[in-house]
Amino acid sequence: EPEVTQTPSHQVTQMGQEVILRCVPISNHLYFYWYRQILGQKVEFLVSFYNNEISEKSEIFDDQFSVERPDGSNFTLKIRSTKLEDSAMYFCASSESFGIADLSGNTIYFGEGSWLTVV
Amino acid sequence: ELKVEQNPLFLSMQEGKNYTIYCNYSTTSDRLYWYRQDPGKSLESLFVLLSNGAVKQEGRLMASLDTKARLSTLHITAAVHDLSATYFCAVDMETRAYSGGGADGLTFGKGTHLIIQP
Repeated sequence: EPEVTQTPSHQVTQMGQEVILRCVPISNHLYFYWYRQILGQKVEFLVSFYNNEISEKSEIFDDQFSVERPDGSNFTLKIRSTKLEDSAMYFCASSESFGIADLSGNTIYFGEGSWLTVV
Repeated sequence: ELKVEQNPLFLSMQEGKNYTIYCNYSTTSDRLYWYRQDPGKSLESLFVLLSNGAVKQEGRLMASLDTKARLSTLHITAAVHDLSATYFCAVDMETRAYSGGGADGLTFGKGTHLIIQP
């Protein structure tokens, strides 16, 4: 079964450093997302991406964050000047379509996550 | 601001029992999702509910949606230990002016931590 893959699975970084989290969405999917989950808390939406541009972003997704699709397969989240409070599990997700009646196309598939620890 | 509230947040139950998890949300939404998360793992999609009155079933789990009441339920029938996990409901966010018509983000509930004891 196709799946969303993420690298690295775990990264430890020093406060103030830049981090790039990588994702390979499912190949025929058109919509891409980043979410984060601070330990023990709920999953929070960061950003969605469609047609090579940001579609939606949350208040969390400030100038410290950026996303990019550098080639046809990868989708990256860059966190500049990391802070302690950026420590979280970051999930990439993708979906085939959005907002149409096709139920299967509306399913959003999540990757295994990248666990970021800022020290 | 869209709010999604689940209850209970924690549930311990015996195998063989039935129980229901509730998900209330605060504003009109087109889509409601249920996910399962095992400790340290990713989110596994269980159900996508798109219309009022939608009911979907998979094994011992059944989800329903009442858009008028802004309520979804996840019913567990004859629980087994393997269903122990955290269950999240999620609702798509309102489209903001920023949106180019693409995908919205999901607002998640806090999750229901379910423990099923043998």
